[in-house]
Amino acid sequence: AQKVTQAQTEISVVEKEDVTLDCVYETRDTTYYLFWYKQPPSGELVFLIRRNSFDEQNEISGRYSWNFQKSTSSFNFTITASQVVDSAVYFCALYTGGFKTIFGAGTRLFVKA
Amino acid sequence: SQTIHQWPATLVQPVGSPLSLECTVEGTSNPNLYWYRQAAGRGLQLLFYSVGIGQISSEVPQNLSASRPQDRQFILSSKKLLLSDSGFYLCAWSVERYNEQFFGPGTRLTVL
Repeated sequence: AQKVTQAQTEISVVEKEDVTLDCVYETRDTTYYLFWYKQPPSGELVFLIRRNSFDEQNEISGRYSWNFQKSTSSFNFTITASQVVDSAVYFCALYTGGFKTIFGAGTRLFVKA
Repeated sequence: SQTIHQWPATLVQPVGSPLSLECTVEGTSNPNLYWYRQAAGRGLQLLFYSVGIGQISSEVPQNLSASRPQDRQFILSSKKLLLSDSGFYLCAWSVERYNEQFFGPGTRLTVL
């Protein structure tokens, strides 16, 4: 069965701190896709990144970076020099086919000024 | 570019009243469409998905139903709302290869 675990329910940091959001996934499929979404207080989920199972390269986009490690079934998300605008709920998700995406429970990030 | 619309943005309904939430997508053809519900402070619960006109798959058999009368239109309905139907309803679309989903702005439903 497929599963996504985001063990951190809430994280609170002070602005300019670095923060890492953990994501552990389970699947027996060899081909799969991993995603991160951001849900700001307005409610709309915003797509951040997709990573496929054949590409373990880490990715950096501005202050955001993602560390994909198949050996530990993890796809962690780091925000460098966090800002108040980063306050949101972040969801990790897994897709292995069959039209359904498995979402983690989400991690709520509070960034205090 | 693709855009997804949902309305209404907020809705307050009495218990036992009917419901109709609408979602439309622009700029893409034959998308997969999804309805999710999010209870306050909780994760996403998949309610329905559709891979084509008239094709609906239900994940949570409750007093809700969905319909897809046109390629880019997805409707969530109920004949009689329950208190437990309160929540934030999100519509999303995707294309099959990656199922990378793009979400609408959501409808916040309060059933009193």
